[in-house]
Amino acid sequence: GAVVSQHPSWVICKSGTSVKIECRSLDFQATTMFWYRQFPKQSLMLMATSNEGSKATYEQGVEKDKFLINHASLTLSTLTVTSAHPEDSSFYICSAYPGGGYNEQFFGPGTRLTVL
Amino acid sequence: GENVEQHPSTLSVQEGDSAVIKCTYSDSASNYFPWYKQELGKRPQLIIDIRSNVGEKKDQRIAVTLNKTAKHFSLHITETQPEDSAVYFCAASPGANNLFFGTGTRLTVIP
Repeated sequence: GAVVSQHPSWVICKSGTSVKIECRSLDFQATTMFWYRQFPKQSLMLMATSNEGSKATYEQGVEKDKFLINHASLTLSTLTVTSAHPEDSSFYICSAYPGGGYNEQFFGPGTRLTVL
Repeated sequence: GENVEQHPSTLSVQEGDSAVIKCTYSDSASNYFPWYKQELGKRPQLIIDIRSNVGEKKDQRIAVTLNKTAKHFSLHITETQPEDSAVYFCAASPGANNLFFGTGTRLTVIP
């Protein structure tokens, strides 16, 4: 149980285009989903927290107009990187939190974004 | 926000020896401290976690200790094996279930 998927697993796009990444909790409902970014050989950095049906909360330094997060249901959150540039190339990982007394977040497999 | 520091950044040990990784955190409100193992290009894998009302937790070869007063926690791996080689991250959660990660430790176990 507690499986989280991400789609796509990798994407290559041209500079200036937008890319949408989906994060799904497959066998549980997630009260909260998180988005992280990880540059090569670096740590995971929390970008934003999203709760179903409400606006995402972004961490300091993360541009909310560039990284659009939608959490339309208890099993789906999307991250859209708008007008992507080469510096946005990174590994994007989501996690889902089931609530109900759980401590653990369940991570997706990640999406590798390369912007040419 | 929460700031988590992690040391060392790299660690090499002989197979069978112990490995210790240390983290400090800044936010006294943090109450949940997980440790993750991550292999290249893969998702982080939870290996052990501890809540702030517990000082120590052990699971087979892995143990975590927490000192709330000093705001530091440590991961101990005993009888290391080559398959323990990976990058390890500590994290702290100051509430709202969000996680702030340490900078990572690349552990190499030499056969």
